[in-house]
Parts: sequence; structure tokens; C-alpha cells
Amino acid sequence: AQSVTQPDIHITVSEGASLELRCNYSYGATPYLFWYVQSPGQGLQLLLKYFSGDTLVQGIKGFEAEFKRSQSSFNLRKPSVHWSDAAEYFCAVGPNAGNNRKLIWGLGTSLAVNP
Amino acid sequence: EAGVAQSPRYKIIEKRQSVAFWCNPISGHATLYWYQQILGQGPKLLIQFQNNGVVDDSQLPKDRFSAERLKGVDSTLKIQPAKLEDSAVYLCASSQRVGGGPNEQYFGPGTRLTVT
Repeated sequence: AQSVTQPDIHITVSEGASLELRCNYSYGATPYLFWYVQSPGQGLQLLLKYFSGDTLVQGIKGFEAEFKRSQSSFNLRKPSVHWSDAAEYFCAVGPNAGNNRKLIWGLGTSLAVNP
Repeated sequence: EAGVAQSPRYKIIEKRQSVAFWCNPISGHATLYWYQQILGQGPKLLIQFQNNGVVDDSQLPKDRFSAERLKGVDSTLKIQPAKLEDSAVYLCASSQRVGGGPNEQYFGPGTRLTVT
């Protein structure tokens, strides 16, 4: 069955510390991979995506993610967290072919940032 | 480039009442999605349109939910009658490609529905 697992429901880090949010997926073929961020009361904003090529992808707001095929993982990282990064983070995977582009979503990781 | 627009942003209704949400996707985007996001969960796809045709509505509770995208541009989602468990944020998203290639989705701000 297709699924996305974000093992950490909630993470708290100190401002300036590094961050890694985990995402593991189960999918029949190599999917397209996405990370979205949702600030309180806001819609979802695309942080970054992986389609093919270099397995380390750069996104907005200083985030990056690494696709590891052998581990079926797409972990999100940031070297130094800012207080404004406090939000909900969602990993999603989708098919790389066909017209039905349904994304499979993780349940999200809530990030809190201590001053 | 204007983003995905949604209205209203907030709505409070009593159970058994009806409600409608509106979405205007990014100009030129062929595919439009409606999601339901219950607090503490990820988005759940309700319906996906490609132009004005339905691609996937397998998770739409068709006894009470309906959606249309008559001219292949903006869309409305309706709930009639509403139940308490419909309290959620309703997100609209759009994407550009119809077939082939990557297809990231762009989201609107959402409509927060509270059913009392």
C-alpha cells in the first residue's frame, strides 16, 4: 500500500540549532516527492520538490532535502532554524505519470522553536 | 502572478445547514483540487478536476458534498446538509500540467468551517 510516514509528530528546537524532519514513503515506483509548510491559519506552501537528478534539492527559506532511494526517505533539513520556521511540515509523494495526480500525504510534523 | 484565491476565509454554521466555498485557481492552471484538512491531520483529497471534468472524486461524500467547475476555471464546493464532523479547513489547490511531467500543487489560504 502507498503511504507516507512522518515519524515525529512534534519537534522542538532552539533558534539557531539545526533541524532534520524525517519522511519515509512506501510507493510502487520512484515517486515525485514534496515538502510543504503550513503556518498557523494559512494554506500550504511548497518548500521544495524532487523529480529526478541530483538527490539533494534546495528549496525556499534555506531548506534542503535529500532523496535516498535505498532508504525510501526524503528528509528535510535546515542548518540554522529561525523563530519564523515554527509551523506544520508535511511530506507528500505523488505519481510520476498519469492524469490522476493524487498526492499521498504524511500526517505532518509540528515544529516549535524556542528563543 | 496571483495565487489561488478562496472565499470565505471563515464560516460558522449550524448542523443541517448548507454552505458553499469558492475557489479561483492560478490563471492557466488546468487542474484544480479540493481538500479537507481536519485539525491535526494531513490534507485529504475530496475531488480533482482537470479542466471542467472530474478526474477523482472517490473520497467525496456524495450524499452531502458536491462540487463543480463549469467553465474550467473557478470552482465551488457545497455541503448540504452539514454535519458536526465536517468542521475542518477546506483547501483549494491548482496545478499547471494536464499530463506528463512533474505537477506541483499550489494552495489557497483555505476556508475554516465550524459546524455547531
